[in-house]
Formats: sequence, C-alpha cells, structure tokens
Amino acid sequence: DVKVTQSSRYLVKRTGEKVFLECVQDMDHENMFWYRQDPGLGLRLIYFSYDVKMKEKGDIPEGYSVSREKKERFSLILESASTNQTSMYLCASSLPGTSWRTNEQFFGPGTRLTVL
Amino acid sequence: EDQVTQSPEALRLQEGESSSLNCSYTVSGLRGLFWYRQDPGKGPEFLFTLYSAGEEKEKERLKATLTKKESFLHITAPKPEDSATYLCAVQRSNSGYALNFGKGTSLLVTP
Repeated sequence: DVKVTQSSRYLVKRTGEKVFLECVQDMDHENMFWYRQDPGLGLRLIYFSYDVKMKEKGDIPEGYSVSREKKERFSLILESASTNQTSMYLCASSLPGTSWRTNEQFFGPGTRLTVL
Repeated sequence: EDQVTQSPEALRLQEGESSSLNCSYTVSGLRGLFWYRQDPGKGPEFLFTLYSAGEEKEKERLKATLTKKESFLHITAPKPEDSATYLCAVQRSNSGYALNFGKGTSLLVTP
C-alpha cells in the first residue's frame, strides 16, 4: 500500500513565524503535490514537483515555497505565516503519467494549521 | 477552461436508498477521471480511475461510470458508514500530472 505521511496532524503558529510542513512517501513516486482545503473552496493546488529539485507553481503559490531535495520528501514552507493561511494542508504523490494517461494521487492524512 | 462540477452539493439518504452522484467536466483530451472519498478531518482516499467513455468500475456498494461529458458514482443500498464527502477530479489540460478537483458531494446516510 502507498503510504504518505505528514509531519504533524495539528499545528498552531503565530503570525509572522516561518512554518515548515513535511511530507514523506514510501512508494518511490516521482510526483508530489501540496494542496490546501478550505470550506466552500475545495482543494486548491499550491505547488507540485515532478522530480527532485523540480517544482511548478499551482493556483495559489503566493506566500508559500517548496523544497524537494530527496525523491521521497516534499516540504512546504510558509515564509511568514498569516491568519489567512489557516487551513487544512494536504500532501499527495503519484507515479508519472504519459501523454494519454494521468495516474491517481495518493493523499496523506493532512495537517490542520492554525495561525494566530 | 478546465472545469469540474459536482452535484448535488449535499445528499441525505435513508439506509438502503440507492442514488447517484454526478460529476460533469470540461477538459480537452481526458486522460483520467478520479473519484475519492473523504472523511471529516482526513485526507482523500482513492476509489476509482476511469479513462474512457463507457468504462465502469465497482467496489462494494459503489459503481463509477463515465461518458464523454460526465461521470456518475452510483451508490446501491447505502449504509451509514458510506457517509462522507465524495470528490471527483480530472487532469489539468496544461499538465500531465496535476488534477483539478470538484468541490465534492457531502453524503449523509441515516439508519
């Protein structure tokens, strides 16, 4: 079974703090993703990575950065946390697709981040 | 523009009362339509992938079908433990990797 783990289930931080969210997958997947999920807005893609040291912006990258130094690990960094970044953060991974096939993503349990 | 629209937003069923959830999509060149189940406070759990119109997949009381414009998740004789939010997603036109998700259908099955 694919296993995606996230470093914390719940996190409380202060405005202005630098926040690190870590994600690790154990299935040798090339692709990794960070989403945030808010009521009424659904899942929104922040960043994704299709290889080590590679990254692409999603729909809402402002205020976030990412790091992928090893294939199994993808970190999301909130440079200076703000209250509007209070959310559920979800990490996912998948195998690479082809020009005619996209593969399913497997999600971690999520991190509920509260910024005070 | 890529779009994934799920309906209804919420559905309440009696135990044993079968129904269907809808996912309509617009994307150029479908490369996969995905169904997920999400329980409160947890990450989405993968259910099915469908790749071509006419394809069907089944798992216990769930059956997913696909046409060229929409997908249905049929729930037969649901039980209270089927209560969850069901999410649908398709690949983004400008990416071979990333997905566009619908906002989900929240299903409540009462005894």
